[in-house]
Amino acid sequence: AQSVTQPDIHITVSEGASLELRCNYSYGATPYLFWYVQSPGQGLQLLLKYFSGDTLVQGIKGFEAEFKRSQSSFNLRKPSVHWSDAAEYFCAVGAGGATNKLIFGTGTLLAVQP
Amino acid sequence: NAGVTQTPKFQVLKTGQSMTLQCAQDMNHNSMYWYRQDPGMGLRLIYYSASEGTTDKGEVPNGYNVSRLNKREFSLRLESAAPSQTSVYFCASIQEGGRALFGPGTRLTVL
Repeated sequence: AQSVTQPDIHITVSEGASLELRCNYSYGATPYLFWYVQSPGQGLQLLLKYFSGDTLVQGIKGFEAEFKRSQSSFNLRKPSVHWSDAAEYFCAVGAGGATNKLIFGTGTLLAVQP
Repeated sequence: NAGVTQTPKFQVLKTGQSMTLQCAQDMNHNSMYWYRQDPGMGLRLIYYSASEGTTDKGEVPNGYNVSRLNKREFSLRLESAAPSQTSVYFCASIQEGGRALFGPGTRLTVL
């Protein structure tokens, strides 16, 4: 069965510092992987996705993520965090195909210190 | 092009009351989903519909029913609400390949 683990419930970084949010997945085949961001009181917005090909994918707002099959990981990174990046971040794994079922991790809440 | 719309935005129910959450998408997507979001638990899939006329259970279907009325609309019904169903509910419309577009959410409180 698909599953996603985000080991960090809460992370605090200083503005301008680099960021890495961890995501590990369990899936029997090549997964479709996603990162979504949720600002307070809002719905979820897609940051980036990996389907195939280049294992380093670029997303919106300066985020990138790297797919590492050997580690079953899809960590999200940003070289320099801005105060507006404070939000909750969700990693998700999809089966693709006809059902397109998406399973989410429990989320990582990012706080940014001035 | 409104994307995914949900109604209502807020609702307070008493235990045992029923209600239906409405969701509609105008992107002609086949797949639609209902998730609930609770603190520390992320988004959990309640039910999904891979295409018009089909529905399937997700991770937490108990206490809910769904109807895929047509390609645009996918409703979630609570027949007898319980305090454990207090949550934020998100509808999503999913493109081929799994990219999801979410509605704004419905915040439900069951007293």
